[in-house]
Amino acid sequence: EPEVTQTPSHQVTQMGQEVILRCVPISNHLYFYWYRQILGQKVEFLVSFYNNEISEKSEIFDDQFSVERPDGSNFTLKIRSTKLEDSAMYFCASSGGTINYGYTFGSGTRLTVV
Amino acid sequence: QKEVEQDPGPLSVPEGAIVSLNCTYSNSAFQYFMWYRQYSRKGPELLMYTYSSGNKEDGRFTAQVDKSSKYISLFIRDSQPSDSATYLCAMLGPSGSARQLTFGSGTQLTVLP
Repeated sequence: EPEVTQTPSHQVTQMGQEVILRCVPISNHLYFYWYRQILGQKVEFLVSFYNNEISEKSEIFDDQFSVERPDGSNFTLKIRSTKLEDSAMYFCASSGGTINYGYTFGSGTRLTVV
Repeated sequence: QKEVEQDPGPLSVPEGAIVSLNCTYSNSAFQYFMWYRQYSRKGPELLMYTYSSGNKEDGRFTAQVDKSSKYISLFIRDSQPSDSATYLCAMLGPSGSARQLTFGSGTQLTVLP
């Protein structure tokens, strides 16, 4: 069964450092997303990406965050200057066309900012 | 008022029991309703999605939507220890509008052997 792959599974970084989280969405999907889940809290939407541009973003997705699809397979989330409160599980997801609302999530990257 | 409310549990049942998980929502623009299962430190896994009011069945799982009451449910029949996980409801607006999922807080379920 096709799956969304995320790397690394766990990333520890110092406050103020830049991190890049990587994802390989399902190959024939058109929409790509990043969500995050702070420990013990809800899964929260960060950003959606379609046709090589951001289609929606939440209030959380401020200027410290950026996304990129550098080639035909990878989808990345960059946090420029990490803060302690950025510590969370970050999930990448992808979905197909308009008739498919069944998002497929990756297993996540656990980001720990120290 | 939160957009999506879900009883966090924890809920503990014996093997073979029928489990009922519920969410309420306030935004009448939600039209697509999903249930995800999340094991510890893993990503959400889609179980079922529904569009209209009524019931949808898939094996031991039944999803129920009542748009007039803004209430959705997931029933698990003949529950198994492997069903032990956190169950998340999630919702989406109409086609062509926002594609961001809005999640409930999740209900932690333990099925005891």
